[in-house]
Amino acid sequence: DVKVTQSSRYLVKRTGEKVFLECVQDMDHENMFWYRQDPGLGLRLIYFSYDVKMKEKGDIPEGYSVSREKKERFSLILESASTNQTSMYLCASRVAGGSHEQFFGPGTRLTVL
Amino acid sequence: GDSVTQMEGPVTLSEEAFLTINCTYTATGYPSLFWYVQYPGEGLQLLLKATKADDKGSNKGFEATYRKETTSFHLEKGSVQVSDSAVYFCALRGVREGSNYKLTFGKGTLLTVNP
Repeated sequence: DVKVTQSSRYLVKRTGEKVFLECVQDMDHENMFWYRQDPGLGLRLIYFSYDVKMKEKGDIPEGYSVSREKKERFSLILESASTNQTSMYLCASRVAGGSHEQFFGPGTRLTVL
Repeated sequence: GDSVTQMEGPVTLSEEAFLTINCTYTATGYPSLFWYVQYPGEGLQLLLKATKADDKGSNKGFEATYRKETTSFHLEKGSVQVSDSAVYFCALRGVREGSNYKLTFGKGTLLTVNP
């Protein structure tokens, strides 16, 4: 059974803190994604990684960075969290050149106070 | 750029009612089209897909037909169940170079089915 796991389901941080969100997939997928999900806005792509150490900005990268040191792990970093980054964060992965189906993790609901 | 417009919710139905969730898209060429479903407290999972015009995707009693002439991919189910209560997302994968790696999602439609 395919699996994408995220390090936390719920996270509460304070403004200005550095926040790490971790995502791990066990499917040997090349491509990994970070999205944020907000009511009325759907899913918006933050960053995409097409292979180890490779990354591309998505539609809303401001205020975020990413790290992909190993194929199975993709980290989203909020260098200095702000209240407008309170959101649900979803990680996904897919095999490169395949059917383009993305497999999603359960999400991390981040609250920044 | 590519975009997806789906009907706004929430949609509330009684069990065994007929469901339609409208989805239209804007994209060049022939994108691939998807419906994803998000059950409460979970991530998204693929419900069905269609990769070329006139294809019909189907799964779990849900169907959607890729209509190039109307740029639509409406989701239908003949008889909904309480367990179908979820948020449904329409999505496309474009064909333009530089953006064909990603999915563009609609805003989602919350469906609630009452017993």
